Amino acid sequence: DAGITQSPRHKVTETGTPVTLRCHQTENHRYMYWYRQDPGHGLRLIHYSYGVKDTDKGEVSDGYSVSRSKTEDFLLTLESATSSQTSVYFCAIGTSLAKAGELFFGEGSRLTVL
Amino acid sequence: DAKTTQPNSMESNEEEPVHLPCNHSTISGTDYIHWYRQLPSQGPEYVIHGLTSNVNNRMASLAIAEDRKSSTLILHRATLRDAAVYYCILREPHTGTASKLTFGTGTRLQVTL
Repeated sequence: DAGITQSPRHKVTETGTPVTLRCHQTENHRYMYWYRQDPGHGLRLIHYSYGVKDTDKGEVSDGYSVSRSKTEDFLLTLESATSSQTSVYFCAIGTSLAKAGELFFGEGSRLTVL
Repeated sequence: DAKTTQPNSMESNEEEPVHLPCNHSTISGTDYIHWYRQLPSQGPEYVIHGLTSNVNNRMASLAIAEDRKSSTLILHRATLRDAAVYYCILREPHTGTASKLTFGTGTRLQVTL
């Protein structure tokens, strides 16, 4: 199994509070991603990173920011959480170019915004 | 990213083969066809991928139409542990800047005794 861990795994917070989710990998992979999953929508890409300090937006990036100061850590921040951000968040890491983009996913972080 | 179309759900009996279809009529010549699955309460996991030729691995087989406008994931003998949502995804090869997968809503496979 790929060495990828997400924290926290579960969090309940109130509207308007900041929240940071952490994705940590031990595989030294270049690519890291944050997805959210909601009923009826499958997985949607929030932000991704293709190297330290190199990040870009996905399809649902509004209300989220990310940072990657080290290869192994990719942080997702909700500056002011809203109820619409209640979701399950998955981090993924990308393997070598030779495998044409196979991704390994974490176990997910369930966030509830009251 | 090019789009894929999958049935919302399928059912299979245990120990029988399962053929999960995927249509991707707008696929480009360099798009890879990826399949992932997601078991209940878990993150997605990679199943298989291919470009033009049929592919086999320990989990499944991938049959790709000659015109590449459709593909089929084949589970040779379904077990209860194969009950999951299966995602068919198209992906461009790495360009040196970023690589990303766009998931649809997938096919929910139910396996019964």
